[in-house]
Amino acid sequence: AQSVSQHNHHVILSEAASLELGCNYSYGGTVNLFWYVQYPGQHLQLLLKYFSGDPLVKGIKGFEAEFIKSKFSFNLRKPSVQWSDTAEYFCAVIVGGATNKLIFGTGTLLAVQP
Amino acid sequence: KAGVTQTPRYLIKTRGQQVTLSCSPISGHRSVSWYQQTPGQGLQFLFEYFSETQRNKGNFPGRFSGRQFSNSRSEMNVSTLELGDSALYLCASSTAGSGSGNTIYFGEGSWLTVV
Repeated sequence: AQSVSQHNHHVILSEAASLELGCNYSYGGTVNLFWYVQYPGQHLQLLLKYFSGDPLVKGIKGFEAEFIKSKFSFNLRKPSVQWSDTAEYFCAVIVGGATNKLIFGTGTLLAVQP
Repeated sequence: KAGVTQTPRYLIKTRGQQVTLSCSPISGHRSVSWYQQTPGQGLQFLFEYFSETQRNKGNFPGRFSGRQFSNSRSEMNVSTLELGDSALYLCASSTAGSGSGNTIYFGEGSWLTVV
């Protein structure tokens, strides 16, 4: 079965530190990749998405992600985090076509210390 | 324009009862999906509807069911509630029938507590 792995369950950083959250998926065919963020008490919001083309995708709030097909990875990065980035981050994949079914990773809780 | 709207936002039910949750997608969106979010299992896919047809179903027991109406609004029902059904139930909507190119928007969810 298709699955998404997020290896970092909890990450604690100081403001201005760089961030990289890992995401790997298990599926050999066409995938659409997403990163969602859930701020405390808020709904899931899309950070960025990859469908095709340039494997380096830029999203909102200074986040970016790189799709490396050979590694089945879609890691999320931000060069300098802020306290307001404290949230839970979810990697997700849509496998194949003709569906909007998202398969989510288990999430990474990021705490940024001021 | 209005986002994905879910009602009720919070509810408490007793074991054995049944519950119906409602989702109004963003205007013009014909695709609606439902997810269950729990601390232990994370975000799990329940089902997906497009133009009133169920296209995908997750690995949940038959007590979980859903439907979509001609105006794209959707409902999900859980019968014979169990304590383990306590969760945040999320609805998501999208314009197109497939993932390619379109953004999937989530509602704020319905918090269900089963006692």
